[in-house]
Amino acid sequence: EVQLVESGGGLVQPGRSLKLSCAASGFTFSDYNMAWVRQAPTKGLEWVASISYGGSNTHYGDSVKGRFTISRDNAKSTLYLQMDSLRSEDTATYYCAREKFGVPAYWGQGTLVTVSS
Amino acid sequence: DVVMTQTPVSLPVSLGGQASISCRSSQSLVHSNGNTYLHWYLQKPGQSPQLLIYRVSNRFSGVPDRFSGSGSGTDFTLKISRVEPEDLGDYYCLQSTHFPWTFGGGTKLELK
Repeated sequence: EVQLVESGGGLVQPGRSLKLSCAASGFTFSDYNMAWVRQAPTKGLEWVASISYGGSNTHYGDSVKGRFTISRDNAKSTLYLQMDSLRSEDTATYYCAREKFGVPAYWGQGTLVTVSS
Repeated sequence: DVVMTQTPVSLPVSLGGQASISCRSSQSLVHSNGNTYLHWYLQKPGQSPQLLIYRVSNRFSGVPDRFSGSGSGTDFTLKISRVEPEDLGDYYCLQSTHFPWTFGGGTKLELK
């Protein structure tokens, strides 16, 4: 069974950094592209970033480009999202997702990030 | 960026009835490899999104055949027949043909 467990969320001040992790199990992590998707409170879904199975290709949403970095450690079956220069508009639940058929198919339960002074 | 326009925003339905949600893209979603990467999700209250339909019309594992997707190019539709209580929630379309990937604004399926 595919399992994705996000961690690292919490309350952080504007301008500071936070690093999210997503521990994967139940599948061969190094075989799949992965993604982060977020959802601000009471709002819709927003794709944040994607990374190829080997880690060599990454893509970012316009609102986070230059501030967020997606990475992975295939030996540890873990996906990361380094978030720098955080803003209040980055407040959201962040979901880790595994791709299949070119789409985020399996999702974790999410971790809440609140950016506030 | 590709803009995904999803309608309606709210859709009241009766149990056992039918629902139809539209998603239109600002440019063609046909990839250079010939595939069309338009997908549909359902997010039930308090839960993570779950994939229903991938690449326009393919039901994901475990999705009942009451759900069907259709469309091409820039115009896509999700149909739900014989609506059941567990179908209520927020529906989103997603295009993953072009980076950045973009979601529709969502449709809330609720009881009439």
